[in-house]
Amino acid sequence: DTAVSQTPKYLVTQMGNDKSIKCEQNLGHDTMYWYKQDSKKFLKIMFSYNNKELIINETVPNRFSPKSPDKAHLNLHINSLELGDSAVYFCASSGGRDEQFFGPGTRLTVL
Amino acid sequence: AQSVTQLDSQVPVFEEAPVELRCNYSSSVSVYLFWYVQYPNQGLQLLLKYLSGSTLVESINGFEAEFNKSQTSFHLRKPSVHISDTAEYFCAVRNINDYKLSFGAGTTVTVRA
Repeated sequence: DTAVSQTPKYLVTQMGNDKSIKCEQNLGHDTMYWYKQDSKKFLKIMFSYNNKELIINETVPNRFSPKSPDKAHLNLHINSLELGDSAVYFCASSGGRDEQFFGPGTRLTVL
Repeated sequence: AQSVTQLDSQVPVFEEAPVELRCNYSSSVSVYLFWYVQYPNQGLQLLLKYLSGSTLVESINGFEAEFNKSQTSFHLRKPSVHISDTAEYFCAVRNINDYKLSFGAGTTVTVRA
């Protein structure tokens, strides 16, 4: 069983489109995260939810909107995609402030 | 706010040789420290962590790291590397009262036969 799963694994789309990435964890964790890894492999936190409540909201364009329908799911919706949004997006979860478990990533390519 | 500096962006090493990856952090409060490994085209996996107690922590595959509070460092070492250790290694730090994990820029380890 995959602990943290993301769909899709690859996403290729045109500039200006709207897309969503889904994340699910079956670890029973309360906290979930979205990270962006750029082409230089630098990882940066974007958002975090704890028990469906937003607790981390870094300086991210408001075209990015996270949604947590329940503790096990955290989705990321991106409006009006731009070339600079091309990156690998990782979902992660943790049991409180303990270690974070990462998903396999979603490689987003904006053409 | 906390930050992490990984001093080496790329480390080429021969198989069975030792390797050390350097990590320094800054924070105004107590921290937890982590090393993650990312194999090509995969997600991140936790290698080891320091939360409290013994300053020397070990992983199941032969890596170890030592927390040095006075030097604000958490260097990663392995006495003998394998080809399969070729990967990207990330040092990360988190304030003990926070959820936010800050990553270093990563060190690419390439093991050659």
